[in-house]
Amino acid sequence: QVTLKESGPGILQPSQTLSLTCTFSGFSLSTYGMGVGWIRQPSGKGLEWLANIWWDDDKYYNPSLKNRLTISKDTSNNQAFLKITNVDTADTATYYCARANYGSYPYWGQGVMVTVSS
Amino acid sequence: DTVLTQSPALAVSPGERVSISCRASEGVNSYMHWYQQKPGQQPKLLIYKASNLASGVPARFSGSGSGTDFTLTIDPVEADDTATYFCQQSWNDPYTFGAGTKLELK
Repeated sequence: QVTLKESGPGILQPSQTLSLTCTFSGFSLSTYGMGVGWIRQPSGKGLEWLANIWWDDDKYYNPSLKNRLTISKDTSNNQAFLKITNVDTADTATYYCARANYGSYPYWGQGVMVTVSS
Repeated sequence: DTVLTQSPALAVSPGERVSISCRASEGVNSYMHWYQQKPGQQPKLLIYKASNLASGVPARFSGSGSGTDFTLTIDPVEADDTATYFCQQSWNDPYTFGAGTKLELK
């Protein structure tokens, strides 16, 4: 059974760095073909793809976030991470991690709400 | 970026057939996927690679299309299908999602 769960700070101030953790079970990020992605959704709005990391440590980022993103993984502990630097109010959203499969996401976490506010 | 255009909303009666469209601004081969999202929940994958039914999804859902024009069909529609439906492409970088189609039942 595949499960994913996101964790994060809840609230942070503008210009700070957002650190998110995805803890998963039911698969390994060291297995060929496996990947984890991060997607976010502002309240009442659409979905925005942020980044993917793959079993071979290949990483892909959404260029619209202008080098603010860093994705990484800890295979031993079944975790993936996302950092977003220099946050502002536009980064307020629910952040999801999801297992990637041929570019689609068959398994999603429940999401973690992040609010950027001074 | 590849822009995916969806109709904002549709209203249908239970038992009817509904088609939800997604048009891509450039070709995405068959790498179009469809998700259902209900309020307060995470998205759920329905269809991957244009026409493949995801595990556990009822056969009432089907997908078609290639290139730039894709369709998600629900036949017959049930009351529980009230939700927002998103398309997503993974052929071009970066991955992009449509703005979603809100399906309401009459």
